[in-house]
Amino acid sequence: QSALTQPASVSGSPGQSITISCTGTSSDVGGYNYVSWYQQHPGKAPKLVIYDVINRPSGVSNRFSGSKSDNTASLTISWLQAEDEADYYCVSFTRSNPLDVVFGGGTKLTVL
Amino acid sequence: EVQLVESGGGSIQAGGSLRLSCAASGFTVSSNFMSWVRQAPGEGLECVSVLDVDGTTHYADSVKGRFTISRDNSQNTIYLQMNSLRVEDTAVYYCARDFSWRQFDIWGQGTLVTVSS
Repeated sequence: QSALTQPASVSGSPGQSITISCTGTSSDVGGYNYVSWYQQHPGKAPKLVIYDVINRPSGVSNRFSGSKSDNTASLTISWLQAEDEADYYCVSFTRSNPLDVVFGGGTKLTVL
Repeated sequence: EVQLVESGGGSIQAGGSLRLSCAASGFTVSSNFMSWVRQAPGEGLECVSVLDVDGTTHYADSVKGRFTISRDNSQNTIYLQMNSLRVEDTAVYYCARDFSWRQFDIWGQGTLVTVSS
């Protein structure tokens, strides 16, 4: 699996907004509206926070939002809170490998 | 409650075998695409196997020929048989439900597999 490209780390202060990018190709992010984002706290399982590029599962704060432009998807977290500090992963559907899925390398969000 | 519970991890020497189990509750595994995703220590997530609703199986190149995914409908459980284990297979293994086009809404708590040389 060729990984989607995410920044290794981002940071922000409480109350600020941050955006995490996820860059792929026309064979994955750019070709399908099946991009999802996961939040993972240390020692915990990943948790789905965005699916189908822009949709939030029930129970996920509306401070989390997703978007996509061409081959790059983005996750924005508004009004940062200390509990948002975690690793975030993007995932996209693709037909380019036997598993039909490609993951981003992950981004560590630090709340200052 | 909808949940997945993995078991079967442990420490093993290279070349050995382990079978991981993932018991589902609150939904039926045979009606869903199910995946195993692993995370090596300090690393990112990697999907290693997918089991389609029709029983078709898919594997990452890194595990093809060594790992086998399967399910037992009567137990509502999926399995990952891991043979010829390598040091680089050391990871936490999660099972996850693929609810739509490789998007995963339910994850187990993970089970740690440690392979030593």
